[in-house]
Amino acid sequence: AQKVTQAQTEISVVEKEDVTLDCVYETRDTTYYLFWYKQPPSGELVFLIRRNSFDEQNEISGRYSWNFQKSTSSFNFTITASQVVDSAVYFCALRARDDKIIFGKGTRLHILP
Amino acid sequence: SQTIHQWPATLVQPVGSPLSLECTVEGTSNPNLYWYRQAAGRGLQLLFYSVGIGQISSEVPQNLSASRPQDRQFILSSKKLLLSDSGFYLCAWSASPEAFFGQGTRLTVV
Repeated sequence: AQKVTQAQTEISVVEKEDVTLDCVYETRDTTYYLFWYKQPPSGELVFLIRRNSFDEQNEISGRYSWNFQKSTSSFNFTITASQVVDSAVYFCALRARDDKIIFGKGTRLHILP
Repeated sequence: SQTIHQWPATLVQPVGSPLSLECTVEGTSNPNLYWYRQAAGRGLQLLFYSVGIGQISSEVPQNLSASRPQDRQFILSSKKLLLSDSGFYLCAWSASPEAFFGQGTRLTVV
């Protein structure tokens, strides 16, 4: 069975600090995809990034970076120099061969001015 | 480009009343379609997903059902709503590994 765990329920940091959101996943499939989504107060989920199981290369996009490590089944998300607009709920998700997309319970991030 | 439409945005229904939420996708063919529910302050729970017309997989046994009468139409239904059905319902489509979401329906059962 697939599972995604986001152990951090809620995080608060002061603006301009760096923050890392943790994600640990479980799957028996060798081919799978991992995602991060952002849910602002409006409620709509915004896709941020995808990683497939064969590509462990880390990725950086502006202030966002992602660290994928198969050895620890983790796909962590770091925001550098956080801004108030980064305040949202962030979800990690997993898709394996059966086409189900399973989400973690999310991490609510508060960026304090 | 692809778009997803989900309506209504908000809905208040009495206990025991029926429910029908509709989701349609434009600009793609044979997408995977998903219904999720998010209870207040909670994570996303996968309710149903479909890989083709008439093919529905149910993840959580409850008083909800889903149907896919057309390739790009996904409907979530209930014959009799319960208080516990309140929540934020999200429809999503996928033609690549990632899914894209509609704006959601906030359902309050009173």
